[in-house]
Parts: sequence; C-alpha cells; structure tokens
Amino acid sequence: EADIYQTPRYLVIGTGKKITLECSQTMGHDKMYWYQQDPGMELHLIHYSYGVNSTEKGDLSSESTVSRIRTEHFPLTLESARPSHTSQYLCASSSLAGVSYNEQFFGPGTRLTVL
Amino acid sequence: AQTVTQSQPEMSVQEAETVTLSCTYDTSENNYYLFWYKQPPSRQMILVIRQEAYKQQNATENRFSVNFQKAAKSFSLKISDSQLGDTAMYFCAFMSFGGAQKLVFGQGTRLTINP
Repeated sequence: EADIYQTPRYLVIGTGKKITLECSQTMGHDKMYWYQQDPGMELHLIHYSYGVNSTEKGDLSSESTVSRIRTEHFPLTLESARPSHTSQYLCASSSLAGVSYNEQFFGPGTRLTVL
Repeated sequence: AQTVTQSQPEMSVQEAETVTLSCTYDTSENNYYLFWYKQPPSRQMILVIRQEAYKQQNATENRFSVNFQKAAKSFSLKISDSQLGDTAMYFCAFMSFGGAQKLVFGQGTRLTINP
C-alpha cells in the first residue's frame, strides 16, 4: 500500500467545534489533494496543492481550509463543524516529475460525523 | 466541464465469472486520461488500470482490461475470472492532460463477488 497516512480514521464531534484532519506522505510528492466523499457516492475535489505554500480550491466548494507548510504534510481544518460537514475525507498525493501523468496515491480516509 | 457517468449502481456475479462495468464521460478535450479505481470496504482507494486517450490499444492489467471507445466516449472495465477479493466499489475517473491533473469521478459501481 502507498505511504500516505490520515489521522484520525474516525471522528465524531459536536457542532461548532474546530477540527483538523491530518494527512502526511513519505513519498516526497509535490502535489497533494483533498477529496470529499459522501457514503456510497463519488469523490469531489475540494482542495489541492502544487507544493509548499501553494493551495488551490477544488471543483466542489468547501468551508474547510488547508495549509502546506511542509512538503509531506497537508492538513485540512474546519473552524466550526456542522452536521452538513459529515462525510468521508480522502487525501491523495502525486509526483510532479515527468511531463504527462503521475499516479495519485490515496490515504485511508477520515470518516467525520458532526452531531 | 467534464462529467463521468456510471449507470450501474450495483452488480453481483459468481466467483470465476466475467463481469463488465460501464462508464461514459463527456469532454471536449482530445487528450486526456481515463482510470478505474477500486475502493475495497474500509480500505484505501487503489488504481486498477489507466488508459491514455491518444492510445488506440486498450489497456490490460492481468485479469483487468478496458474497452475504450473514444468516439462514443465510453470506457468499460472487464474483470475476468473474478475473485472474492475483487469485491469493492469501482470508480471510473477522468483526468485532463497537463495542468493540475485533477480527477473527476463517476458515481461508482458496487461490485459483489459471491462464492
């Protein structure tokens, strides 16, 4: 399996709490991504990064924010969690090397439930 | 914007049978990539097979092969000699050539292999 990790794997939290979902990879990849996936549904890109100090919004609008201070680390933060944020969040990474395609490797996901 | 459609929410076959999962997509681009990803229950998403749009030859990976019909914008996955370990959600995905290399996913097909 790919060397990309997410913590926590499961999180149940009350409305209004601030949460940070952690994602780290040991492959030295420049690009990192956050996807949101409702149960049994497709993945939607919410954030991505080309490298340190680079963050971009994805195709699906999200109230979450991300930061990229270190190459290996790409945390996602929700300042005030709401029930509508209940979902699974998947982190992925890929290399910038090469001129065409680089495979995205996925983490195991964090399943978030906001009560 | 690109869209990916998987019209089979669920499929079920017996072990050792062959099964084909359907996928159609919409794009105005000429160069792109198509993927099939596998998401086993409670496990990480992994890449099954990849097809470059500029290649006419269909991609194969052991028991997995695709039928890529560029004009029809169709990209089906065939699993031969299915095994219990093939039980998973299967997602078809599209990626533009170059740029941010963002993946656009279909809704997924839940495949169950029965003993």
